[in-house]
Amino acid sequence: DADVTQTPRNRITKTGKRIMLECSQTKGHDRMYWYRQDPGLGLRLIYYSFDVKDINKGEISDGYSVSRQAQAKFSLSLESAIPNQTALYFCATSDPGRTYGYTFGSGTRLTVV
Amino acid sequence: AQTVTQSQPEMSVQEAETVTLSCTYDTSESDYYLFWYKQPPSRQMILVIRQEAYKQQNATENRFSVNFQKAAKSFSLKISDSQLGDAAMYFCAYRRNTSGTYKYIFGTGTRLKVLA
Repeated sequence: DADVTQTPRNRITKTGKRIMLECSQTKGHDRMYWYRQDPGLGLRLIYYSFDVKDINKGEISDGYSVSRQAQAKFSLSLESAIPNQTALYFCATSDPGRTYGYTFGSGTRLTVV
Repeated sequence: AQTVTQSQPEMSVQEAETVTLSCTYDTSESDYYLFWYKQPPSRQMILVIRQEAYKQQNATENRFSVNFQKAAKSFSLKISDSQLGDAAMYFCAYRRNTSGTYKYIFGTGTRLKVLA
């Protein structure tokens, strides 16, 4: 099994719909992140969480919300999806005691029509 | 604010040849980490190599090596003996080495094509 699992892998949704992207990890890391990837823009941070009770906004949090249900689970919600939220979404984890970089999930490609 | 710039949107290399991908960054910090990530068509982000700013020696991982020029704030990736499996998007990333630091700053990526 993958260390960081994202579901669904692909999703098409309609404008105005609520959608949730899920992320679970087996790394035992406290820190979890949601990034968005757009062509020509790289990866941008949406939200991050240092533990279950510590959730913080990233640079592009508008239109998104998150829930840290447990140390291993971190979900991203789009309350009312809009077309410019069409992107590739990545969940990642990190261990603050190490500098080995992030461990990424395999991404969720979201299309809002 | 820190920034990471990858000025080459796309590069091509012949199989078995060497290619260098460029990355520059801007920071006022002296202690930080730099990373190269590979994103093949499978979309998975894979850590290729990392460099601690306090280390003068350039990091190497098999066919991958970096040229880290701290004063010039440059962090290029050299891929030797390129293989078809190296074809991917490559992202340069920066992270401060500060307690509680969370944020990685990514460049916009360089798409590498490997020609048979």
